[in-house]
Amino acid sequence: EIVLTQSPATLSLSPGERATLFCRASQTVSNFLGWYQQKPGQAPRLLIYDAFNRATGIPARFSGSGSGTDFTLTISSLEPEDFAVYYCQHRYTWPITFGQGTRLDIK
Amino acid sequence: EVQLVESGGGLVQPGGSLRLSCVASGFTFNSYEMNWVRLAPGKGLEWLSYIGSSGSTTYYADSVRGRFTISRDNAKNSLYLQMNSLRVEDTGVYYCARDLNKSGGVYFDYWGQGTLVTVSS
Repeated sequence: EIVLTQSPATLSLSPGERATLFCRASQTVSNFLGWYQQKPGQAPRLLIYDAFNRATGIPARFSGSGSGTDFTLTISSLEPEDFAVYYCQHRYTWPITFGQGTRLDIK
Repeated sequence: EVQLVESGGGLVQPGGSLRLSCVASGFTFNSYEMNWVRLAPGKGLEWLSYIGSSGSTTYYADSVRGRFTISRDNAKNSLYLQMNSLRVEDTGVYYCARDLNKSGGVYFDYWGQGTLVTVSS
């Protein structure tokens, strides 16, 4: 199976700052990678699919990039509601797998 | 409004069984592929199983293959997960999740609120 490794494990930033989260795949996943946000007690929310496409209703401050094995989720200017756990997920082949998550904390 | 409502979770002993259900509304259920995903305590998200829109195609994670069975009843707008031979490590919140139905691949655009499964003696 394809292993997705996210870094950093925890990121501490302040509102208004730029956040950059990384996801590395153990083998190519082409551009078949998505990003999710999850807050405590809530279901995950799809942010990005196929590396750079924003899902419906996702603000423009969220952007995705990358292809092959290295991907980035960027939040251009953090809002208070953006502090959460973020997961990457590939759909390149079965089984689908998620990364272990990056926790974005308020500094 | 798209809604997915899971039920069937609870406390079960190791080796026991549970059947989870997910009732869908607000969209044409028989046009969408569906999945089960879980969040174990202190861990991340884990995809468990996929079922095609007609029910004829299924896939499983290695961790549950042979123990869990996904199924659906399109007439009842319902998705199921039969879980047998449950282990302590199966403890977690179980979500049903709808496929995005774009891009040709599996992403999850709508999720239920989750149902808690606890496997403990």
